[in-house]
Amino acid sequence: QQQVKQSPQSLIVQKGGISIINCAYENTAFDYFPWYQQFPGKGPALLIAIRPDVSEKKEGRFTISFNKSAKQFSLHIMDSQPGDSATYFCAASKRDDKIIFGKGTRLHILP
Amino acid sequence: KAGVTQTPRYLIKTRGQQVTLSCSPISGHRSVSWYQQTPGQGLQFLFEYFSETQRNKGNFPGRFSGRQFSNSRSEMNVSTLELGDSALYLCASSLAGAPLMNTEAFFGQGTRLTVV
Repeated sequence: QQQVKQSPQSLIVQKGGISIINCAYENTAFDYFPWYQQFPGKGPALLIAIRPDVSEKKEGRFTISFNKSAKQFSLHIMDSQPGDSATYFCAASKRDDKIIFGKGTRLHILP
Repeated sequence: KAGVTQTPRYLIKTRGQQVTLSCSPISGHRSVSWYQQTPGQGLQFLFEYFSETQRNKGNFPGRFSGRQFSNSRSEMNVSTLELGDSALYLCASSLAGAPLMNTEAFFGQGTRLTVV
């Protein structure tokens, strides 16, 4: 049973455009929703995270939008740059439990 | 401060053999989790150790096992290797102190295991 569904699998965006990656979860007990960024040959690194008591969190060009009633959350990358080309994973967890990851989105920003 | 260190970085093993992977967490981190990453399945949780005890376990067969030492270093063992075990194995450490809460997980670079 896949508890976190991520889409799209791959995404190509022009430089300066907005990249949007969506995730949906099933378990309403999840209370922590991080996004990880992974470059080739590296382990994933935390990019930004949100808790369900807020609907949006922004850090620089990265924004998480969270819709608790729809059990969906998304990552928006504004003014996308070639250096943002990487694989992005959404994830969810509940206290004292493991982090469940989506299957990842390969993002490619065209120069 | 040093990050999460995984050794070895690359490994080639033959079907039927066993393998042991090592993970040294960030100093002070007591929780170590292991994940298997494959192109088709993404990051799949194997198990988590906290203070030398397995606290969470994923849905992997018993051929996959692990342990954690008193210095928080962890090892993962896979016995009777199968071709399908070829993957990137990632270790992540976090503070996860008491009372337990969601804290940031820091990943190592992984061990690329190839089974031939």
